[in-house]
Amino acid sequence: EVQLVESGGGLVQPGGSLRLSCAASGFTFSSYTMTWVRQAPGKGLEWVSAISGPGVNTYYAEAVKGRFTISRDNSKNTLYMQMNSLRDEDTAVYYCAKGNNWAFDSWGQGTLVTVSS
Amino acid sequence: QSVLTQPPSASGTPGQRVTISCSGSSSNIGSNVVHWYQQLPGTAPKLLIYSNRPRPSGVPDRFSGSKSGTSASLAIGGLQSDDEADYYCAAWDDSLNGWVFGGGTKLTVL
Repeated sequence: EVQLVESGGGLVQPGGSLRLSCAASGFTFSSYTMTWVRQAPGKGLEWVSAISGPGVNTYYAEAVKGRFTISRDNSKNTLYMQMNSLRDEDTAVYYCAKGNNWAFDSWGQGTLVTVSS
Repeated sequence: QSVLTQPPSASGTPGQRVTISCSGSSSNIGSNVVHWYQQLPGTAPKLLIYSNRPRPSGVPDRFSGSKSGTSASLAIGGLQSDDEADYYCAAWDDSLNGWVFGGGTKLTVL
């Protein structure tokens, strides 16, 4: 059974940094693209970033480009998101999801990031 | 403002069939496959339809997807109260070099 467990969320001041983690199990982690999708309170889903299985290719939404960095450690079956220069509008639940055939076929339960002074 | 356009709400009575539309452009739906996600209240999204039509294992055949040109649709037949949820379409966008979502459609079962 695929399991994705996010951690690292919390309260941070504007301009601050946070590192999210997503621990994966139940599948061959290194074979799949992984992605982060966020959802602001009461709003819809917004794709944030993705990384290929080997970690060579990365993709970012324009809203986070230059501030967020996605990475993965295939030896630890873990996905990361380093978030710098955080803004109020980055407040959201951040989900990690497993990619398959260009869709996201498994999702974690999410971790809440709150950016506020 | 979402790149893919969905109606904000839809409704139907038990047993009825409802359709949710998703409109895009040549750089996303027009040239790539469409996926649909269901998000029940207070839970993480779940993949409902992938690559325009196929359903993941465990998704009832009451749910069906279609695509034509730069638009896609999700149809739900035999509506049940458990179907009350938010539904999102998504696709890869060649111009943005990333995935784009619709704004979501809140389905109410009357």
